[in-house]
Amino acid sequence: ETGVTQSPTHLIKTRGQQVTLRCSSQSGHNTVSWYQQALGQGPQFIFQYYREEENGRGNFPPRFSGLQFPNYSSELNVNALELDDSALYLCASSFARGGISDTQYFGPGTRLTVL
Amino acid sequence: GNSVTQMEGPVTLSEEAFLTINCTYTATGYPSLFWYVQYPGEGLQLLLKATKADDKGSNKGFEATYRKETTSFHLEKGSVQVSDSAVYFCALSDAVQGAQKLVFGQGTRLTINP
Repeated sequence: ETGVTQSPTHLIKTRGQQVTLRCSSQSGHNTVSWYQQALGQGPQFIFQYYREEENGRGNFPPRFSGLQFPNYSSELNVNALELDDSALYLCASSFARGGISDTQYFGPGTRLTVL
Repeated sequence: GNSVTQMEGPVTLSEEAFLTINCTYTATGYPSLFWYVQYPGEGLQLLLKATKADDKGSNKGFEATYRKETTSFHLEKGSVQVSDSAVYFCALSDAVQGAQKLVFGQGTRLTINP
């Protein structure tokens, strides 16, 4: 069974740039959630994708957007990067039936640094 | 909204000591509860979970019991090892629009000395 994978591992960008992070879900899972973890903090929910649509969003601005593909993999896009976007971005996959998702399993994360 | 409060760290113990990390929650309804562990430079790994009141989750010698009356889910281990050094997060499941999200505590850093 393949676990959740994320790429790239690390990324350095400058303020105002755009970034795309990628996630492959665990086999058998159909739902992907994205979290932002600032240094020394717990992860914060960004949004969740199910059936290729965003079905729930946390308190993040529209410049955070995403996609889910037919193979259930996902992308997180962040436009107009700000210094405060520097964080570990975690992807989690789960299996959902009727919109109710089971336990979430996390990938290793992408460390984004904005200079 | 729903929230999780964890025991503040850091916590430092000697090998073979007894561990308790406190976690309390505020929630409407009866969410599932989780403990995740994060080793340095890595993502989160599920340690254990409980889905209803009085359930006990256990894994790798760690245990936590879902206590509805005290709204708690304290993590315990009888004899810790150096390899248990990590950051531990308590979390609950919460509904947001059509999604199920996790709400995390702030994390407790645990260091075990030989």
